[in-house]
Amino acid sequence: DVKVTQSSRYLVKRTGEKVFLECVQDMDHENMFWYRQDPGLGLRLIYFSYDVKMKEKGDIPEGYSVSREKKERFSLILESASTNQTSMYLCASSFVGVNTEAFFGQGTRLTVV
Amino acid sequence: AQTVTQSQPEMSVQEAETVTLSCTYDTSESNYYLFWYKQPPSRQMILVIRQEAYKQQNATENRFSVNFQKAAKSFSLKISDSQLGDTAMYFCAFMKLHSKLTFGKGITLSVRP
Repeated sequence: DVKVTQSSRYLVKRTGEKVFLECVQDMDHENMFWYRQDPGLGLRLIYFSYDVKMKEKGDIPEGYSVSREKKERFSLILESASTNQTSMYLCASSFVGVNTEAFFGQGTRLTVV
Repeated sequence: AQTVTQSQPEMSVQEAETVTLSCTYDTSESNYYLFWYKQPPSRQMILVIRQEAYKQQNATENRFSVNFQKAAKSFSLKISDSQLGDTAMYFCAFMKLHSKLTFGKGITLSVRP
């Protein structure tokens, strides 16, 4: 079974802290994605990466950065957490090419206080 | 840019009946993929069904089928013989080759016993 694992299911951080959300996949997928899910807004793409050290901005990259030093790991970084970054964060991965199903992690519920 | 629209925020259906969830999208691409994902209360996103745009035949997976109208840019999901376990949020998603996965805002489906 494909597995996408996010490091935390629940996280509480203080305003101004630097926050790291980690995601690891075990299927050698080229693509990895970070989404943010808010009620009534669906899933909005923050960043995605199609290869090691490669990244592209999604629809809402402001206040976030990412790192992909190894193919299996994709980290989302909140440089200085703010209360408006309280949300559900979902990581996903997929192959490039015809078999493009994305597999998701279980999500991280982040609360910034 | 691609957009995915799910205009109904929520629907309800009686157990064993059929329900159709609507989705429209906007793109200038000719080669792309469409997906329906399910997110139950556990938050784990699960792929329900996938459609390749170059295939004219509508995809079917057991009780789930789609009505793909390429010219109208419409991609609806039909759930037959609804079951209590179908209660979830459903997201329509679009992906063009070698690019990001774009989601709609989702619809909350409740199956009544």
